[in-house]
Amino acid sequence: DVKVTQSSRYLVKRTGEKVFLECVQDMDHENMFWYRQDPGLGLRLIYFSYDVKMKEKGDIPEGYSVSREKKERFSLILESASTNQTSMYLCASSPWDRRSGDGYTFGSGTRLTVV
Amino acid sequence: SQQGEEDPQALSIQEGENATMNCSYKTSINNLQWYRQNSGRGLVHLILIRSNEREKHSGRLRVTLDTSKKSSSLLITASRAADTASYFCATVLSGGYQKVTFGTGTKLQVIP
Repeated sequence: DVKVTQSSRYLVKRTGEKVFLECVQDMDHENMFWYRQDPGLGLRLIYFSYDVKMKEKGDIPEGYSVSREKKERFSLILESASTNQTSMYLCASSPWDRRSGDGYTFGSGTRLTVV
Repeated sequence: SQQGEEDPQALSIQEGENATMNCSYKTSINNLQWYRQNSGRGLVHLILIRSNEREKHSGRLRVTLDTSKKSSSLLITASRAADTASYFCATVLSGGYQKVTFGTGTKLQVIP
């Protein structure tokens, strides 16, 4: 069964900590994405990557960085965690071919709390 | 601001009834997708409709797209308690990379 795996389901970190959220996909997808989801705001795109070592800013990249050293892994980094980064973080992947009818495949999410 | 906006924000129906959710968007799209999210989990892709298509079916799901009105609807027929979830529309814009923009979702409750 193909899937996107996020390393942690729940995470509690302290303000100022550097936080790594890991995402791995086994579908050989070119595109990978990080979203955060907050009540009333829906899903907002933080960063995405369309190839190894490539990254593009999404709508809310401030306070975040990403790393894609291998095709299957896309990491989200909170350089210095703050309480306003408490959120549900969702990773997704998709094939490059926009003619695909499959849409995105999402991980189960990481609920991050910054205290 | 969000590209897609769902309506209504919340919907409560009895099991067996049909549920209709609507989505409006602002700019030209390549395709529009619908996703389901069970409480606290990741999103699951339901169906994709391209800009040159007007209607698509998948099981109990029926999606329509009206590009002149920049709107789409998702119909779930003969709803079941297991359909209780949040439903999101998502748009992929014409041109550029395959970046998907999500709406804020419709929360559907199906009462047994």
